[in-house]
Amino acid sequence: GESVGLHLPTLSVQEGDNSIINCAYSNSASDYFIWYKQESGKGPQFIIDIRSNMDKRQGQRVTVLLNKTVKHLSLQIAATQPGDSAVYFCAEKGNTGFQKLVFGTGTRLLVSP
Amino acid sequence: EPEVTQTPSHQVTQMGQEVILRCVPISNHLYFYWYRQILGQKVEFLVSFYNNEISEKSEIFDDQFSVERPDGSNFTLKIRSTKLEDSAMYFCASEDSFISQPQHFGDGTRLSIL
Repeated sequence: GESVGLHLPTLSVQEGDNSIINCAYSNSASDYFIWYKQESGKGPQFIIDIRSNMDKRQGQRVTVLLNKTVKHLSLQIAATQPGDSAVYFCAEKGNTGFQKLVFGTGTRLLVSP
Repeated sequence: EPEVTQTPSHQVTQMGQEVILRCVPISNHLYFYWYRQILGQKVEFLVSFYNNEISEKSEIFDDQFSVERPDGSNFTLKIRSTKLEDSAMYFCASEDSFISQPQHFGDGTRLSIL
């Protein structure tokens, strides 16, 4: 079964540092991956996505890396700002048609000024 | 930027009562979802909906749950007889294309069952 709990992994960084948030996904058949940011009291907000035919994709200040061999996804945030403080979730799904998202446990990012 | 809107933001209900959570998806989207997040836990899939019918539902989505798109804009989740364990954040999401695109989420309804 899946492991869930009240205590999220937490990454604490200083403003201006680069942050790396990791995620192990569960289904080797998944071929579309999304990173979401969730601020307190808000819904998940799309950050960046990547399809399985890629191993890296860059956005503005964010980069997603995909390693299908070990089913690992990471989100890199450059020059982290206090406004980046939130919980970050990875989510996976198949690439054929519309399908449910399967979310990871989440990582809390705390950015100190 | 268009967004998914959900009402109410907070619903407090007595156990055993019926509750309806409402969502207005992004207007040109065709695929709709409900997810649930118990406090401090990850987001869990409840149900997906396309072309006026359920496409997939999870084990959580039992006979007490139903969804409906009563008109061209609203998408509702009904819980017929609420239980204490239904207390959670409920998120609506929508998606616009057959080729994978990110699902866009509303800010949720916090459901508190007393």
